[in-house]
Amino acid sequence: EVQLVESGGGLVQPGGSLRLSCAASGFTVSSNYMSWVRQAPGKGLEWVSVIYSGGSTYYADSVKGRFTISRDNSKNTLYLQMNSLRAEDTAVYYCARTVPTYFDIWGQGTMVTVSS
Amino acid sequence: EIVMTQSPATLSVSPGERATLSCRASQSVSSNLAWYQQKPGQAPRLLIYGASTRATGIPARFSGSGSGTEFTLTISSLQSEDFAVYYCQQYNNWPLTFGQGTRLEIK
Repeated sequence: EVQLVESGGGLVQPGGSLRLSCAASGFTVSSNYMSWVRQAPGKGLEWVSVIYSGGSTYYADSVKGRFTISRDNSKNTLYLQMNSLRAEDTAVYYCARTVPTYFDIWGQGTMVTVSS
Repeated sequence: EIVMTQSPATLSVSPGERATLSCRASQSVSSNLAWYQQKPGQAPRLLIYGASTRATGIPARFSGSGSGTEFTLTISSLQSEDFAVYYCQQYNNWPLTFGQGTRLEIK
């Protein structure tokens, strides 16, 4: 079964850091484009970052310089390292297989709350 | 950045009736448009890509049309499980952008 399972969310203070993980099964992360998409409480969807199969990475302006997307091929897992977190980063974070620029498989999401 | 605008914000329709949702792009996105369905507490689900191609497993009552800047998602005969929020997304230009969503509710 093709599946994505996120983890790593939680409560963090402004300025803090968090690393999200997304474990894939049923397909190979490194052979696909993979993205992170977030959704603030009661709001719409916002694309955050993508990593291409070749390793190139791109970010939304709102997170550029603060977030880093990466993957571990041996673990078939996608990551999002989030630094210098702000209140406006509070959201459910979804990982999604990107084919190559729309999203066909989504994880269940992990909640990140940035608050003091 | 391409701005996607969906209308209406909320649509009230009775089960068995047809629902028509609109999505407009601030500039042409050709046919590079996808539609997603999201139910409360769940992740979005891909319905349509390429403006009109149904994703795997999506019932035939869902159809998409349009190109350029004007797009439509039509649900021909609403079932109870179709009441949800629907998002359009353009993938013609980076950054990838979504509409703000249309909430489809039971009338």
